[in-house]
Amino acid sequence: DGGITQSPKYLFRKEGQNVTLSCEQNLNHDAMYWYRQDPGQGLRLIYYSQIVNDFQKGDIAEGYSVSREKKESFPLTVTSAQKNPTAFYLCASSKAQGTSGSKQFFGPGTRLTVL
Amino acid sequence: GNSVTQMEGPVTLSEEAFLTINCTYTATGYPSLFWYVQYPGEGLQLLLKATKADDKGSNKGFEATYRKETTSFHLEKGSVQVSDSAVYFCALTRAGNTPLVFGKGTRLSVIA
Repeated sequence: DGGITQSPKYLFRKEGQNVTLSCEQNLNHDAMYWYRQDPGQGLRLIYYSQIVNDFQKGDIAEGYSVSREKKESFPLTVTSAQKNPTAFYLCASSKAQGTSGSKQFFGPGTRLTVL
Repeated sequence: GNSVTQMEGPVTLSEEAFLTINCTYTATGYPSLFWYVQYPGEGLQLLLKATKADDKGSNKGFEATYRKETTSFHLEKGSVQVSDSAVYFCALTRAGNTPLVFGKGTRLSVIA
């Protein structure tokens, strides 16, 4: 089945530790995205990548880093510099279709809790 | 910049009631508009979309019409079911693979 997988579903981290969230897609999509979801704030964009080996900062990139070495993978690292990392993290991907905005497909999410 | 405003919840309805969730947007040009739904503990699923003015997106009994004159994309359903209980997000994006801009979400609870 084609889709987006995120792992792990639940992740616990001690303060001061870096942690990496996995996101893989087999939809042959060019673009991938990371969003953060907090209660009452909707989804906010962390980073996105429209092509392999290139990525752009979103609205809340501070304290996060990404890489895009392969088309199907877009891991997100939450560093110790992120002051409030406890949240639900959602990965998405899309494929450009003509001139209209492309719909995005979402993974099931990873819930990160800092202890 | 681009932004989306949707009505705050929570919205609580009885089964078979009529649903409207308001969504308005601010954007330059002609964005594409989307409604996504999120069930508890899951990611987002695309519910419907519209890419140009006067387009009507529809799916699973839900509808929304792209109104450029009022910059709106209100979500409607004639008869809600308990299984429709979820959080609904309105979103927009510009051409191609540009990131979505989301509203804050509206939680819907349908009671039997």
